[in-house]
Formats: sequence, C-alpha cells, structure tokens
Amino acid sequence: DADVTQTPRNRITKTGKRIMLECSQTKGHDRMYWYRQDPGLGLRLIYYSFDVKDINKGEISDGYSVSRQAQAKFSLSLESAIPNQTALYFCATSVGGETQYFGPGTRLLVL
Amino acid sequence: GENVGLHLPTLSVQEGDNSIINCAYSNSASDYFIWYKQESGKGPQFIIDIRSNMDKRQGQRVTVLLNKTVKHLSLQIAATQPGDSAVYFCAENPGSYKLIFGSGTRLLVRP
Repeated sequence: DADVTQTPRNRITKTGKRIMLECSQTKGHDRMYWYRQDPGLGLRLIYYSFDVKDINKGEISDGYSVSRQAQAKFSLSLESAIPNQTALYFCATSVGGETQYFGPGTRLLVL
Repeated sequence: GENVGLHLPTLSVQEGDNSIINCAYSNSASDYFIWYKQESGKGPQFIIDIRSNMDKRQGQRVTVLLNKTVKHLSLQIAATQPGDSAVYFCAENPGSYKLIFGSGTRLLVRP
C-alpha cells in the first residue's frame, strides 16, 4: 500500500551492528505496528503504538526498540543485530482496532 | 495457533475454477475477521472483512463465510485467475488491541 512506506526495502548488516528501520504513513491513522515474518510462519507483533505517547511491547520485543517521532512516523531499531533477527519486517497502521494496512516490508539479513 | 511450521498448506486450482481457502480461528470472543493476500515480495493486502453479526459477505469475486458455531472462516474466490496466486491468511480480532494472524495457505493457479 503506497500510503504506508518503509525504508530501506532491503538491508544487509553484520552481527552487533545497530540498525534502524523506518516507517511513514499518509493515512492519518492513530495506531502503528511493527511485525516480523519468518518463512512459513505468521506475523508476530514486535511493538505497537496507539499514539505518539503510547508505545507498548508486543509478543517478541526483546532485542528491539521503537520510536514514534510523530503520528505519521514509527521507527524500529535493532540495538545489536544477531543472525536470528534475519527476517521480513512489516509496518502496519490502523484506525482503532480495525483493519491493519501494511507497508511493503523490509528484508533484513544479519550476517 | 500461529506457528505451524515451515511448510504452508497449498491449494492448487485450475484457472477459471473457484477456490475455497479455509481458516480455523482460535478465540470464541473474536468479533471481527479479515482476509489478507500476500504476494511474493510484498506486504499483506486487505481483501475483505466480516463482523461476527454476519455469516456472509461478498466483494468483487470474493465471498467470506463465517461459521461461529465451529469457529471457521472461509474465503471463496470465483473464477480464479493467475493473479490470484499468493499466500492468503485470515486474522481475528478478539476485541483487544491486536489482530491474531493465521500462518496462511498458498494458492497456486494452474494455467
């Protein structure tokens, strides 16, 4: 969905490096989410934010941190990347608890 | 549950035939359901949704059926086309802040 953009689209990094994935939305939605997707598995929630001052851990938040810089921007950081964080990362937005709209994803490879 | 292993169930259909993709949801309190389509290399895309006060909803070439008695959801695609080839997964909202995603079914369309 072009209303939700993610940068970078692909990233290769080394173990121990800190990296940041960014998400921007033009939908005007209050809620934003970060998920990871591993081959053959469903989406797993890392962090979610109901508004700029409300940030919450999801089911797999260890090793990750987030920042909601504005209503439209939600970034995900890997403080010290490790190989098992190699995955596809998706940002999503929603109005309340309704349908979530996803960005195109960031493919991350940690060597 | 969300983690059913590395191998997605696969449905192979002939182009032009109807497809039926099934989903068993987990929470009897869930009151809102969504079907997503995910093409290779892309983010999940909203297809259709349904609330628990309905048992059927139709869109363009797609129909979602909800059976609350057995906690079952299905997506029917009429006259399946090559562009329908993707992974399809359902999501349920148990009335909380998050969606619970299934792991998906891969639809392959034979020419």
